[in-house]
This record gives sequence, C-alpha cells and structure tokens, in this order.
Amino acid sequence: AQKITQTQPGMFVQEKEAVTLDCTYDTSDQSYGLFWYKQPSSGEMIFLIYQGSYDEQNATEGRYSLNFQKARKSANLVISASQLGDSAMYFCAMRETLPLQGAQKLVFGQGTRLTINP
Amino acid sequence: EAGVVQSPRYKIIEKKQPVAFWCNPISGHNTLYWYLQNLGQGPELLIRYENEEAVDDSQLPKDRFSAERLKGVDSTLKIQPAELGDSAVYLCASSLFLAGPNEQFFGPGTRLTVL
Repeated sequence: AQKITQTQPGMFVQEKEAVTLDCTYDTSDQSYGLFWYKQPSSGEMIFLIYQGSYDEQNATEGRYSLNFQKARKSANLVISASQLGDSAMYFCAMRETLPLQGAQKLVFGQGTRLTINP
Repeated sequence: EAGVVQSPRYKIIEKKQPVAFWCNPISGHNTLYWYLQNLGQGPELLIRYENEEAVDDSQLPKDRFSAERLKGVDSTLKIQPAELGDSAVYLCASSLFLAGPNEQFFGPGTRLTVL
C-alpha cells in the first residue's frame, strides 16, 4: 500500500527565508506521481507542484521547487523567499499512475503547518 | 472559469439526523472525488466517479453513507443517520484525465459538526 509521511507537524520561518518541507513516501509501484498542495485557513486545497516518477529533472513552479530523491523515496518541497501569505497547511500526496485506467486517487500525508513570521 | 463549488459551507446537525452535501465540479471534468478530512489530518478518499459511474467506493461506509452523480456532472453525498464521529470537512474535487499531472482541483469543503 502507498504511504506518505510528513514528519514536521509545524514549521516556523522568518519572512524572506527559504524553507524546506519534508516528505517521504513508500510504494512498490514503478510509475507514480507526487504532488504538493497548500491548504490555507479558508479550507481549499491549492495545487502547487507535481513530480512524475520518471521525470529526471526536479520540478519547479515559481518560488516552489521539489527536491526529488528517488532512491531515498523523498520529495521535499522548497519554498524560496517565503512570504506572509505562505502561512498554511502543506500536504504531500502520491498518486499511482495507471494511464489506461484514468484518474486515480491521491494518498495524502498528515501535513505540515507552516507559519511565516514578519 | 469557475472552480469546484460546494454547498453548504457549514452544517451543524444533531446526531441521528440526515445530512446532504452538494458538489458541482469544474465544467468538463469527468472525474469527481469525495474526500473526508478529519481535523489535523490529510484528506482520505471516500468515493471516485468516472462520469456517472462510481469506480472506487471501497472506503465509503455504505451502512450510512451514499453518493450519487446521476448525470455525470454534479454530485450529492449523503449521511443517514449522522454520528458524532462524522464531524469533519468533506471535500469535493474534480479532474480531467490528460497526460501529465492530471491534478485534482478541490472545492472549499463542507465543515460538518454533529452534536
């Protein structure tokens, strides 16, 4: 069974600093996808970044980058130049990729609450 | 483009009462998901629809939970009767199967409180 582990319940960072949120995963599948979502206090899950298991380069989206280390089964999220608006819950998630069977469910970790201090 | 719409945003009921949640996915998205999110936890899938067909409902407690997506567009999730432990946020998401990320887009959720 797939499993996502986020070991940091909470992180506190000064504004403008970079922050790394940890995520490790466990799967026996060769093909899978890794996601990071942001959940502010409003409750909506906001997609941030995606990494496919066969992607050779680390994914980047603006200030977000994903440090993908396949051998270690880790997919850490790096936020550069943090802003006050980055304060939220962050969830790492994994999806098994079965291209002939359509969309699949996401398995989420327990999340990390990030607080950016001014 | 409108996002995933859910209603109501908040619901407070007494135990043993029925409750229903509604979700309208992004236009054209054929896949719809209902997730349950307990306080301090990540979401967990309850049921997934491909058009009007429920293709994964293994985590849905069928003794009290039911769902439908009759025309393959909007969906309703029902609990009858509700129990204290059902207090949680119920998230709806949708996606369009394409190559690549195929990310899921989430609604704001319905926060249910059972007294």
